[in-house]
Amino acid sequence: GAVVSQHPSWVICKSGTSVKIECRSLDFQATTMFWYRQFPKQSLMLMATSNEGSKATYEQGVEKDKFLINHASLTLSTLTVTSAHPEDSSFYICSARDPGDGVEKLFFGSGTQLSVL
Amino acid sequence: GQNIDQPTEMTATEGAIVQINCTYQTSGFNGLFWYQQHAGEAPTFLSYNVLDGLEEKGRFSSFLSRSKGYSYLLLKELQMKDSASYLCAVSFTGGGNKLTFGTGTQLKVEL
Repeated sequence: GAVVSQHPSWVICKSGTSVKIECRSLDFQATTMFWYRQFPKQSLMLMATSNEGSKATYEQGVEKDKFLINHASLTLSTLTVTSAHPEDSSFYICSARDPGDGVEKLFFGSGTQLSVL
Repeated sequence: GQNIDQPTEMTATEGAIVQINCTYQTSGFNGLFWYQQHAGEAPTFLSYNVLDGLEEKGRFSSFLSRSKGYSYLLLKELQMKDSASYLCAVSFTGGGNKLTFGTGTQLKVEL
């Protein structure tokens, strides 16, 4: 199956700093990538849809100025959590579809555990 | 938003069969997915249903009834490694190919 690489796997930062998370499609091109957030023992909540070469589409209630998304190429999307606070501590996961897969399933990155002190 | 409901937790015995149910709002339904997620890891794809009926894949099977807005994931010959969270996800038309996830069912397999 298709491979989605996400980096870093975990990060600890101080409150007020910014953190960048990268998501790469390794063996396919992804015009669209999806960013999810997951709190402990809860399901995945879609934050935004990242569109290559254009602005991201944010879900209701997600602050676009706080969660900056850039999709500058067909294989890379980045999520930057700006001025992070402890309540931003969560598991962030990116995903994408492989256009050549034939089924509309999502392939997920390995996730990034963010802890804000 | 679209509501997707699953039981929160289930417990089953090694070697047994377990059925995890999922209900969803039928309006705009485009397809249903089941994913397995171990703690601290990314979800992995299990199955995809777009037409009514049963899809079998080894020890795992998934069933869909579009008219009832109902699906289930059937796990046979349970193994300890099957202890995980099982996520039901639905694609809705007009949603821009987004997947909406259910709350997930935490399955615990015991000896």
